[in-house]
Amino acid sequence: QEQLQESGPGLVRPSETLSLTCTVPGDSLRGGDYYWSWLRQPPGKGLEWIGYIFNSGATFFNPSLKRRLTMSIDTAKSQFSLRLKSVTAADTAVYYCARDTAAIFDPWGPGLLVTVSS
Amino acid sequence: ETVVTHSPVTLSLSPGERATLSCMTSQTIRSNSIAWYQQRPGQAPRLLIYHTSTRATGIPDRFSGSGAGTDFTLTISRLEPEDFAVYFCLQYGSSPRTFGQGTKVEVK
Repeated sequence: QEQLQESGPGLVRPSETLSLTCTVPGDSLRGGDYYWSWLRQPPGKGLEWIGYIFNSGATFFNPSLKRRLTMSIDTAKSQFSLRLKSVTAADTAVYYCARDTAAIFDPWGPGLLVTVSS
Repeated sequence: ETVVTHSPVTLSLSPGERATLSCMTSQTIRSNSIAWYQQRPGQAPRLLIYHTSTRATGIPDRFSGSGAGTDFTLTISRLEPEDFAVYFCLQYGSSPRTFGQGTKVEVK
């Protein structure tokens, strides 16, 4: 099964912008009829869906985060990205990217721990 | 937002025993839109069940899902050593999609 891969800095300072990229192997980002989601899991806590992007660039975000959130997609590079601005310690989490098919997340990347700290 | 609650929080069992995990939602879930995931320490969640009772590709038949309305169940018929992990459900019948906090299945 294809393996998505998150990348980006593991440490972000408070009030700055968290930027992550997910690389998708193969052609499914370009040619597939899928959505692509970001999710996160604070240490010791449950999962939260952040939002998704379609290969057309259309997005839909969790209302709890939409004021601070942007997503983009680069089909030529087979990548999609997340930018979360004005971060605080509450944004410390393992961030996952996942393929989103009929509202079901599968497969997932291995996850990337992002710590917000000065 | 639909709140998802698991019970029990922790389930202590021995290999070979049957595990029954419950997931309750604060609103009726339409179209059986419940999925179950397994998460082992340090790993990404793995899809086990979707549409309440459909096993994902490659998932052994000792895993089964059932339920309707606001009450859903994941059953592991005979626990194998690799099944000791955290399990949580996802409701995708209403927006935003929400997860429960999970049930940890640990070795007794």
